[in-house]
Amino acid sequence: KAGVTQTPRYLIKTRGQQVTLSCSPISGHRSVSWYQQTPGQGLQFLFEYFSETQRNKGNFPGRFSGRQFSNSRSEMNVSTLELGDSALYLCASSLGTSGRASINEQFFGPGTRLTVL
Amino acid sequence: QKEVEQDPGPLSVPEGAIVSLNCTYSNSAFQYFMWYRQYSRKGPELLMYTYSSGNKEDGRFTAQVDKSSKYISLFIRDSQPSDSATYLCATRNAGGTSYGKLTFGQGTILTVHP
Repeated sequence: KAGVTQTPRYLIKTRGQQVTLSCSPISGHRSVSWYQQTPGQGLQFLFEYFSETQRNKGNFPGRFSGRQFSNSRSEMNVSTLELGDSALYLCASSLGTSGRASINEQFFGPGTRLTVL
Repeated sequence: QKEVEQDPGPLSVPEGAIVSLNCTYSNSAFQYFMWYRQYSRKGPELLMYTYSSGNKEDGRFTAQVDKSSKYISLFIRDSQPSDSATYLCATRNAGGTSYGKLTFGQGTILTVHP
């Protein structure tokens, strides 16, 4: 079973630009969550999409947005990039629903390393 | 103050040592507790998952939760150089629409030297 894939793996942008990152979840998974990882703040939750709807949102400005398609693939967009947006962006997929023995484990992709100059 | 506090280390131990990693949390709504391991240039992978207070063992790993003191721990016995990684504790609320939202600690960088 293929794992979570993220594209691109590395990205360099300049301040003010916008960027779109892509995430393909594990087949059958309907939930995709996005996280930002930085040395200073660690792993922080951005948002979660389930069946094309945003189900949870973290404390990030509106410059950070996302969407999910009918095949569960997800994209996140960051507009008007700032230097502080340089980070590893991770997406994680899960079934998204509960089951008697389910822990709804999140499987992470390798991340997209974004550098803002 | 962060909802989940974790000493970032770094922690360096000799091969064969017992490693203790710890986190504290402040939100009583957190009901599920996880430990993830992250190797360099990789995404986190789930190591252990617990719900109840008490101990849960899996091979060389033991996860411990004390909900009364809001304290979670991971013990690694007979540590190996291959255990060198960043260890992240994570929590989430119970059920409902919270499945996809994890709150992480800062992560502890562990090095096990031969």
